[in-house]
Amino acid sequence: EPEVTQTPSHQVTQMGQEVILRCVPISNHLYFYWYRQILGQKVEFLVSFYNNEISEKSEIFDDQFSVERPDGSNFTLKIRSTKLEDSAMYFCASSKQGADTGELFFGEGSRLTVL
Amino acid sequence: GEDVEQSLFLSVREGDSSVINCTYTDSSSTYLYWYKQEPGAGLQLLTYIFSNMDMKQDQRLTVLLNKKDKHLSLRIADTQTGDSAIYFCADRGASKIIFGSGTRLSIRP
Repeated sequence: EPEVTQTPSHQVTQMGQEVILRCVPISNHLYFYWYRQILGQKVEFLVSFYNNEISEKSEIFDDQFSVERPDGSNFTLKIRSTKLEDSAMYFCASSKQGADTGELFFGEGSRLTVL
Repeated sequence: GEDVEQSLFLSVREGDSSVINCTYTDSSSTYLYWYKQEPGAGLQLLTYIFSNMDMKQDQRLTVLLNKKDKHLSLRIADTQTGDSAIYFCADRGASKIIFGSGTRLSIRP
């Protein structure tokens, strides 16, 4: 069964360092998302991406964040200069269409720890 | 802005029914979802309900939607140890899916 894969599963970084989280969405999906979950808190929407551009982003997704689909398979989230409060589990998701039942298929997450 | 709220913990005895509740604020919801997260795994869609329905049954799962009160519930009949997980309520509004914080369901023998 096709699945969304994310790497790395866990990354530890120093405050101020750049981090890139990688995702391979399901191949025939057209919509891509990043969510994050700080420990014990809600799963928060960060950004959605369609047709090679951001379709929506949340207040959390400030200038420190960027997304890219550098080739036909990868979808990356970059955090330019990490802060302690960026420590969270980051989930990538994809869906076939934006306007159907909207089922998102999630990866297993990348845990980011900023020291 | 849109919000989804759910209680954090629920403990039930094996064989009993579990009822997980959720409230949401978005008036333009189209679909509402229940996702399940097992340890070390991503979120997986368990079931969904279209906003013009008030009930959906799928084997041991029953979803009830009270659109007037913006209340969604998930009932799991005959709860088994394999049902131990975190259950996320989610709401599709005009443009994105908003999740609650998840309810951790634990099963007592």
